[in-house]
Amino acid sequence: NAGVTQTPKFRILKIGQSMTLQCTQDMNHNYMYWYRQDPGMGLKLIYYSVGAGITDKGEVPNGYNVSRSTTEDFPLRLELAAPSQTSVYFCALRGANTGELFFGEGSRLTVL
Amino acid sequence: RKEVEQDPGPFNVPEGATVAFNCTYSNSASQSFFWYRQDCRKEPKLLMSVYSSGNEDGRFTAQLNRASQYISLLIRDSKLSDSATYLCVVNSGYALNFGKGTSLLVTP
Repeated sequence: NAGVTQTPKFRILKIGQSMTLQCTQDMNHNYMYWYRQDPGMGLKLIYYSVGAGITDKGEVPNGYNVSRSTTEDFPLRLELAAPSQTSVYFCALRGANTGELFFGEGSRLTVL
Repeated sequence: RKEVEQDPGPFNVPEGATVAFNCTYSNSASQSFFWYRQDCRKEPKLLMSVYSSGNEDGRFTAQLNRASQYISLLIRDSKLSDSATYLCVVNSGYALNFGKGTSLLVTP
């Protein structure tokens, strides 16, 4: 996972709490993504960014916010946690030439 | 119709067997295609890209059929260590769309 760091790895939240999942890269790639993966399901795109200052919604953006003030950081914010947001969250960045996605190790979030 | 569809399996095969997975995609303008491997509770990792002419990497062969909008992955001489979920990934513009994955279990 060289280059993509996600924190925290695990977190338990109560309904209504807020938190930020951090994602940092040192590969200087422009394209970054946040996916969520529910048990037995594929990855669903929450938000993505094509560069600093530019973000856009993916398939399942409701309940989340992002920012991209620098190339390195792409945090994901949950404002009012709900049980439906219990999932594994993956941050990824995309190689400029190959299109390959490099993933962080994931953040496992439980909302009770 | 979902963007990317895969048979979820599971595929249970003995060591040494040959197994094939297919994946269909809905966007005819899709430009690039990949197979990712995901081990239990781990992040996905690139297995191989899929090129128009088909490509091979050791025991793994990937093929693309643009006319029928599907890609395939063939694994020869299966190893126990091949047990994982295989994700089909299709690039349509900025985003990469993932299938739900096909689960493979290779048994002794």
